[in-house]
Amino acid sequence: NAGVTQTPKFQVLKTGQSMTLQCAQDMNHNSMYWYRQDPGMGLRLIYYSASEGTTDKGEVPNGYNVSRLNKREFSLRLESAAPSQTSVYFCASSAGEGSVTEAFFGQGTRLTVV
Amino acid sequence: DQQVKQNSPSLSVQEGRISILNCDYTNSMFDYFLWYKKYPAEGPTFLISISSIKDKNEDGRFTVFLNKSAKHLSLHIVPSQPGDSAVYFCAAINFGNEKLTFGTGTRLTIIP
Repeated sequence: NAGVTQTPKFQVLKTGQSMTLQCAQDMNHNSMYWYRQDPGMGLRLIYYSASEGTTDKGEVPNGYNVSRLNKREFSLRLESAAPSQTSVYFCASSAGEGSVTEAFFGQGTRLTVV
Repeated sequence: DQQVKQNSPSLSVQEGRISILNCDYTNSMFDYFLWYKKYPAEGPTFLISISSIKDKNEDGRFTVFLNKSAKHLSLHIVPSQPGDSAVYFCAAINFGNEKLTFGTGTRLTIIP
């Protein structure tokens, strides 16, 4: 059982380049999330999707866009990467709809913008 | 605005003793609280949770306490073991919008 799969695991971008981080889950979960982790800042929510077809901004959405392609997939796009977006990105999913279950995380994508 | 706060960035505890990690929140609409554990180069993994209608939940060595009037929760680990050394995050969710918010984390080091 794969759970939550993120690709790529590592990426180096030049300032101004664009890229899409992919996330897929195989647990038939309704809710999906994108977080970034920075030293001393914990896990900050970028965007989330409570169900297929809906997306909402989290705490730090600027510079990012998301697409909930279908129930399984939730992608995060950086249109013009900036050094401030150097971080470790985590995708997560949970059953949602008020279900009392935890969120499951992917292994993370370490992104460096130079 | 940080709705979930962990004011201690780090904590060191002797092996075998009790570890107490604390978390405060500001949003009274949170329905459910969770604790996650994170090792380096891995994604966070779920540890234990508690509903907002309860004040205690226990699972083996781990117990979470919730004080709603103080908007405070804590995680107790007893006895602490070397494998417990990790970063611990508390999190809270509002079932109305399914927004899952995390704290800044506490790095726990268990001293052998």
